[in-house]
Parts: sequence; structure tokens; C-alpha cells
Amino acid sequence: EAQVTQNPRYLITVTGKKLTVTCSQNMNHEYMSWYRQDPGLGLRQIYYSMNVEVTDKGDVPEGYKVSRKEKRNFPLILESPSPNQTSLYFCASSPGGGTGELFFGEGSRLTVL
Amino acid sequence: AQSVTQLGSHVSVSEGALVLLRCNYSSSVPPYLFWYVQYPNQGLQLLLKYTTGATLVKGINGFEAEFKKSETSFHLTKPSAHMSDAAEYFCAVTLTGGYNKLIFGAGTRLAVHP
Repeated sequence: EAQVTQNPRYLITVTGKKLTVTCSQNMNHEYMSWYRQDPGLGLRQIYYSMNVEVTDKGDVPEGYKVSRKEKRNFPLILESPSPNQTSLYFCASSPGGGTGELFFGEGSRLTVL
Repeated sequence: AQSVTQLGSHVSVSEGALVLLRCNYSSSVPPYLFWYVQYPNQGLQLLLKYTTGATLVKGINGFEAEFKKSETSFHLTKPSAHMSDAAEYFCAVTLTGGYNKLIFGAGTRLAVHP
């Protein structure tokens, strides 16, 4: 089944404790992206990757890191999480070609205390 | 800069009634426009999109939207609401071919009551 898989789905952590949210897609998509969803703000792009080893900042990259060593994986790293990073995070992928169709994971709800 | 405004963060309709969710966009160049739907505890999925050509586009589950350049709008409609339509709906815009920069609206939560 074609899908984007995120883990963990739910996480409660404390300020400053490094964490990684993994994202994997099995559709051989070139493009991948991370979004955060906050009430009243919609989805805002954190980082995106056009292909392996190619990443770029989105609208809200501060406090986050990403890497794209393999085509299928695009982990999101919070080196020193803070409470303002409490949010619902979505990974998405796209085959590219300007279709604009993003395939989303089910989301990872992160709480930073 | 591009932006998307969705009028009404919450919309409530009766089952069988018309659904109208409003979206206005701002873009200096011809945009691609999208509607995504998010069911509870799920990720977003594409409902429909406008790229070029016919301005009335049909999507899944009986939804459709019309691109009106003069009004910079892309409102989503469905003639008859079902209980299963209850979800959050997001309008999004991107530059032509710029799929890496999808700008989302704040979302509209649709409630359908019997």
C-alpha cells in the first residue's frame, strides 16, 4: 500500500531533550516536506527536500534540522526542543512535476514540557 | 507574496444542505489552487485542484470548486452534505509549477448535523 509513515505518532518530552521524528515513503517520490499544524494557523512548511542530499528551509525552520540521505527517508530533528515546538507535525511527499499533490502521513503530535 | 484566506473557521450545515466553504487567494502570478481535507486523526488528502484549463473542477466525494480570477476566489461546494463530510478543509495555493511551496489557509472545520 502506498503510504507515508511517521513515527512516533504521539510523544511527550521535556525541554532540551533531543528527539527525532522519522518519515518514510514507499512511493519513490523525489520531493518530501515537513509541516507543522497549529490551531488558527493552518499548515506551515518547516523544511523540504527536492531529492537526496538536497534540502531547503521552509517558512518556519528555526529549531529544526533535517537530512535526506536516502530517497525514502526524511527525518525531522529537534536538537533542543522548546515548548513553542509543541505542535502536530506532518510529513508529506510528492512525485514532483509540478502536480502540487502532496501525500501526507498521519501526523505526529509532539508535546514539549 | 502569496497568501490564502479562508472565511469562517467553523461552518455548520444540516445533512442534505448545500456546503459552501470560502477561499480567497493573493498571488502576483497565475496560481495553482488546491483543496485538501483532513478527517479526524488523519493526514490531509487531496480533494481537488485547479492548474489550468476548465475553471470548474470536480473532486472526490461530490465536491467541486470554481476558479474565479476576477474575484481571486476558489470556493468549495457540495450540493448535499453527508454526515461523513464532517472534517477540516484547507485551501492552498502555489506558484505555477512550484509545488514545493504550497501555502495553506488556516482551515475551515465543517460540522454536519442531522
